[in-house]
Amino acid sequence: SSELTQDPAVSVALGQTVRITCQGDSLRSYYASWSQQKPGQAPVLVLYGNNNRPSGIPGRFSGSYSGNTSSLTITGAQAEDEADYYCDSRDSSGNYGVFGGGTKLTVL
Amino acid sequence: QVHLVQSGAEVKKPGASVKVSCKASGYTFATYYMHWVRQAPGQGLEWMGMINPNGDTTTYAQKLQGRVTMTSDTSTSTVYMELSSLTSEDTAVYYCARDYGSGSYYLFYWGQGTLVTVSS
Repeated sequence: SSELTQDPAVSVALGQTVRITCQGDSLRSYYASWSQQKPGQAPVLVLYGNNNRPSGIPGRFSGSYSGNTSSLTITGAQAEDEADYYCDSRDSSGNYGVFGGGTKLTVL
Repeated sequence: QVHLVQSGAEVKKPGASVKVSCKASGYTFATYYMHWVRQAPGQGLEWMGMINPNGDTTTYAQKLQGRVTMTSDTSTSTVYMELSSLTSEDTAVYYCARDYGSGSYYLFYWGQGTLVTVSS
């Protein structure tokens, strides 16, 4: 079982805003990062730390924290955002990495 | 530009070992930790462990301790992941992923993945 919990699936209408969440006790102490994975491809980091985007990631991707929850928000979702999204961070001990189970985002 | 190029697909029999390589370029190799992540068919991502190429300090997922070994070769900017006593549950795509820095757990760059199939 994962120490980070994500909803298995979320959908959003084209151009609308969607929030994908990741819950876990370790997130009270450590930041998460978020990766996007499209079928047959390696993951791509889209967000890390306290709402930081790697170079080349569109500004419609943003992040926030509340308590034990990290959220990835896509403002104005595009068709190309349809993918699996994974959060990751440290586990509760701080000594090991851990991934959430992933969220499949469908853009309608 | 950072590139991580992994070795090719492998087919192994149960009980065997596999060694996957990840050759890095475009940055100072010894400065950044490298992680290994795997993904079974149709499943999510699983963190396997990480290595500090500057001294070969390692941290392995508890589930894999005793079966996984990560090493590095600074002369060729290559990290290796060896997994022993393979079972069908080890069938997966294996990725190397470079850390943002020194064990931040932010996986900034990913290799293309190596499919390891365990089958009799």
